[in-house]
Amino acid sequence: EADIYQTPRYLVIGTGKKITLECSQTMGHDKMYWYQQDPGMELHLIHYSYGVNSTEKGDLSSESTVSRIRTEHFPLTLESARPSHTSQYLCASRRQGWGNEQFFGPGTRLTVL
Amino acid sequence: QQQVKQSPQSLIVQKGGISIINCAYENTAFDYFPWYQQFPGKGPALLIAIRPDVSEKKEGRFTISFNKSAKQFSLHIMDSQPGDSATYFCAASTRQGAQKLVFGQGTRLTINP
Repeated sequence: EADIYQTPRYLVIGTGKKITLECSQTMGHDKMYWYQQDPGMELHLIHYSYGVNSTEKGDLSSESTVSRIRTEHFPLTLESARPSHTSQYLCASRRQGWGNEQFFGPGTRLTVL
Repeated sequence: QQQVKQSPQSLIVQKGGISIINCAYENTAFDYFPWYQQFPGKGPALLIAIRPDVSEKKEGRFTISFNKSAKQFSLHIMDSQPGDSATYFCAASTRQGAQKLVFGQGTRLTINP
């Protein structure tokens, strides 16, 4: 079982609220990623990080922001949630080096009313 | 631009049968090809992966076949079981930079008892 955790697992909030989705891993992985996925559908990379103080936007444009102050922690923030942000958000990490396994967290299912 | 195309979108197989899922890629710089399995409400988990210097890799009932010249790879599940019912994603990445995984669209596999 991968040591990567996401909280909360489910979140239902109203439009305009600020939210932070938490992601932590205890494997010491340098690289971390955030994906957006509608149920059973394709995974879209929205943010990634090479390591501490490194953040990059992914292939899918997102209004969310991320930070990487500590190796093990990679939170995602939405300043003002909208119904279009309703989706599942998956966090992942992998160790530096080619071909190393990428581990996924269990996901946060976000519903914005 | 979809760099990894996966088919079929859904697949129904009888218990004991062979499940086959196909993927094609465009970027010849890809050199790592994993398959992920995802159950409802869970994050994807690595099933099996292959590098382009081999044409086939087998782990238990799961086999990846790789055709470098055709830029195609496939997952074969032998003796398919109801517990194999899940969504399967192929992916590909290069060894440079963030080693971002590019995912296929996913295949929802159902194994009928």
